[in-house]
Amino acid sequence: AQSVTQPDIHITVSEGASLELRCNYSYGATPYLFWYVQSPGQGLQLLLKYFSGDTLVQGIKGFEAEFKRSQSSFNLRKPSVHWSDAAEYFCAVGTGRRALTFGSGTRLQVQP
Amino acid sequence: NAGVTQTPKFQVLKTGQSMTLQCAQDMNHEYMSWYRQDPGMGLRLIHYSVGAGITDQGEVPNGYNVSRSTTEDFPLRLLSAAPSQTSVYFCASSYSGDTANSPLHFGNGTRLTVT
Repeated sequence: AQSVTQPDIHITVSEGASLELRCNYSYGATPYLFWYVQSPGQGLQLLLKYFSGDTLVQGIKGFEAEFKRSQSSFNLRKPSVHWSDAAEYFCAVGTGRRALTFGSGTRLQVQP
Repeated sequence: NAGVTQTPKFQVLKTGQSMTLQCAQDMNHEYMSWYRQDPGMGLRLIHYSVGAGITDQGEVPNGYNVSRSTTEDFPLRLLSAAPSQTSVYFCASSYSGDTANSPLHFGNGTRLTVT
């Protein structure tokens, strides 16, 4: 069965600083990988996804993620964080079947 | 186009009470699902449906029932609420159940407290 690990429960960065959120997955075949963002009191919004091809994928709001098969990782990055990026971020893996497996989330706090 | 609509937004129940969480989507999506979100555990799949009249269990189905009589609606029923069911519940839908080609659209959640 697939699993997702987000090792950082909580991260604080200064506004304008770069950001990297870590995600490691476990799955026997090539996975479908996703990053979602959840603002307080809201549902989850898809930031980006990886299915195949170029291992560096671009998403909305200036985010990008890189798939590294050798490290079983799919880390999310942003070169310059804005205060509005404060939220909880979830990495997820899909297998082409019926559901996604989510990580436990990383809460991002942005300091002015 | 409202997307995925969940009602109510908040609910408090006493142990043993029953209730139904409502979920409706207006995107003509075939696939609908219910997740629960608990601190430190991410989202876990409760039940899902790949079309009207078809439902199946997810990772944590015990204590919950679902039905899918129409494409638009996918209610989640708690027959006898327990404190362990205190959680935030999310309904999500997608065009198909193929996660490769059909990303999930989420509602804004229902926060349920069972005392």
